[in-house]
Amino acid sequence: NAGVTQTPKFQVLKTGQSMTLQCAQDMNHEYMSWYRQDPGMGLRLIHYSVGAGITDQGEVPNGYNVSRSTTEDFPLRLLSAAPSQTSVYFCASRQQGVGEKLFFGSGTQLSVL
Amino acid sequence: RKEVEQDPGPFNVPEGATVAFNCTYSNSASQSFFWYRQDCRKEPKLLMSVYSSGNEDGRFTAQLNRASQYISLLIRDSKLSDSATYLCVVGSSGYSTLTFGKGTMLLVSP
Repeated sequence: NAGVTQTPKFQVLKTGQSMTLQCAQDMNHEYMSWYRQDPGMGLRLIHYSVGAGITDQGEVPNGYNVSRSTTEDFPLRLLSAAPSQTSVYFCASRQQGVGEKLFFGSGTQLSVL
Repeated sequence: RKEVEQDPGPFNVPEGATVAFNCTYSNSASQSFFWYRQDCRKEPKLLMSVYSSGNEDGRFTAQLNRASQYISLLIRDSKLSDSATYLCVVGSSGYSTLTFGKGTMLLVSP
C-alpha cells in the first residue's frame, strides 16, 4: 500500500515553461487536493476534487489547472510557469466524511527562474 | 479574521517541559478538528484528531471548546524528537475542504 505518491520531488523551470505534477493514491479515496506551502503563509489550497470528473477551485487557483479522469490520479498542471509559483507543493487525499484524516504525498519542491 | 489562527512561534523549551499550543477558528459550523505535525521539509502527518470531550494519546492531550471556537494541544514531558511544526486543521461537513493554520514551531533543546 503506497498511499499517496507524488512526482517529481524536485523541479526547476524557466519562466513560461509548462509542466505537470503527478499525484496518485491507491486508497480509493474520493477526495483529492493540491496545496502549496510558502514560508509564513502556511498550506493554501489550490484545487480539489470530490470524485472522478469533479474538480473545484481552492484559495489560490490562478495559474493552475487540474483534471480528475480516474479516482486514483489528480495531476496539477502549470501552463506557463511564473516565479511566483516557486513553492513546495503537496498532494493530499482522504475519504469523504466528517473526521476523515488527510494523507499527504511527500511533496514537490518547485523553483521557477 | 483569518479562518484558523495559531500562536506565533517558535516555542523554545527544554527537554521534559510541558508546552501548550492554542488555535482559534472562525467558522462556527466547523465539525472536524485535527492537529498535524510537520517536520522540516517533510509532508504534514496526522498527530491526533480532536474530539468534543477532549482526548489523550500518551503525552499529548487535545481539547476543544466549541463555544469559544478554540482548540488546544498540550505536550507533556517534551522530547527532542517533538521538535517540529504543529498545524491546527479545521473542517466543515462532508465534502468540504480542510483549512490549515500557519503552524507553530516547537524547538526542544537538551
